Amino acid sequence: GENVEQHPSTLSVQEGDSAVIKCTYSDSASNYFPWYKQELGKRPQLIIDIRSNVGEKKDQRIAVTLNKTAKHFSLHITETQPEDSAVYFCAAENTNAGKSTFGDGTTLTVKP
Amino acid sequence: NAGVTQTPKFQVLKTGQSMTLQCAQDMNHEYMSWYRQDPGMGLRLIHYSVGAGITDQGEVPNGYNVSRSTTEDFPLRLLSAAPSQTSVYFCASSRRGPMANIQYFGAGTRLSVL
Repeated sequence: GENVEQHPSTLSVQEGDSAVIKCTYSDSASNYFPWYKQELGKRPQLIIDIRSNVGEKKDQRIAVTLNKTAKHFSLHITETQPEDSAVYFCAAENTNAGKSTFGDGTTLTVKP
Repeated sequence: NAGVTQTPKFQVLKTGQSMTLQCAQDMNHEYMSWYRQDPGMGLRLIHYSVGAGITDQGEVPNGYNVSRSTTEDFPLRLLSAAPSQTSVYFCASSRRGPMANIQYFGAGTRLSVL
């Protein structure tokens, strides 16, 4: 089955700095790679996603890159703000199979 | 449009008791999944369904049963609760299609097994 590894497990940055979280996956059949943000005590919510036919996608301060050959994808947050503090999860999915595998999460702390 | 609704929000069980966690979605999504989230860990897939009448096991299915008799509902049954099943349970649904697959999560059920 699919295996997703996520690094780092914790990340602390100063407000205004950039944050990068990396994930690797094992199943070459995976073709959909979402990123979820989970605030304390809340449900995970999608912040950005990328599909296998695209190498990069950007939405304001958030960007995701995908390297299918190396089987890794990354989340980039620029100009971080205290409200970006949360746990971030990557996931890999084979959309034909209908199931997702999640990484173990990265706790991001943005210090004012 | 309520999205994904989970009940109950909190539950305390004694070892050996059984119960059903309810999940309903009103978005006509084909895919539904159950995850458990243990402290400091990611979401682990318990069972999932790609449509009414079709279910399959995820990575941690032991001790749980599911059924999908309608598109809207996907209940999770704990057969004989154990302390190791203490966790937060999330149900999620998504639409099938080339530009779909975004998962919408319920608010979660916090389960403690004593």
